[in-house]
Amino acid sequence: DTEVTQTPKHLVMGMTNKKSLKCEQHMGHRAMYWYKQKAKKPPELMFVYSYEKLSINESVPSRFSPECPNSSLLNLHLHALQPEDSALYLCASSRAGQETQYFGPGTRLLVL
Amino acid sequence: SQQGEEDPQALSIQEGENATMNCSYKTSINNLQWYRQNSGRGLVHLILIRSNEREKHSGRLRVTLDTSKKSSSLLITASRAADTASYFCATFQGAQKLVFGQGTRLTINP
Repeated sequence: DTEVTQTPKHLVMGMTNKKSLKCEQHMGHRAMYWYKQKAKKPPELMFVYSYEKLSINESVPSRFSPECPNSSLLNLHLHALQPEDSALYLCASSRAGQETQYFGPGTRLLVL
Repeated sequence: SQQGEEDPQALSIQEGENATMNCSYKTSINNLQWYRQNSGRGLVHLILIRSNEREKHSGRLRVTLDTSKKSSSLLITASRAADTASYFCATFQGAQKLVFGQGTRLTINP
């Protein structure tokens, strides 16, 4: 199974809502990533988990809270988001550091 | 910070023609990767070329790497409508941070 799945596909939320994005992989990868991508821009790294521990936080605002419950799952908890946080959120995984990353289809988030 | 720059930003060609995209980067690398993204969807890994390799092929894809010029190119031969997508080069800053170029939007016209 070489697939990374993400749910939901689309999410609309108000600025006072709390929601979570979910990502799952069953490739035995020990590194998992969250990226944010604005329209017509490249993906930008937000967080890296390595062996279920947070190893990189790219100075992301605290209204984004990542969680890695186990080696197959990665969550991104969202709270009090701003309209400028509207974007495509991509999850990826890889075997280790400087290796090929496998991406999920993304969650398209709209904050009203 | 931006590691890779790509050109052209947009490329439109006829089906059957070859498409070439270029990428430049700033720091030393262990490898360089190319990814494809269909409209608004996840990225698909195309090819990884290591710093000690100069050229690599995968099907209709040919990637070159010139570490002295800090540049890479992706050639897609005999293009098809299904090749319409955005193409990104990517390099690592540090052990785990993958940084993408601005991308080339490729349109294949039937």
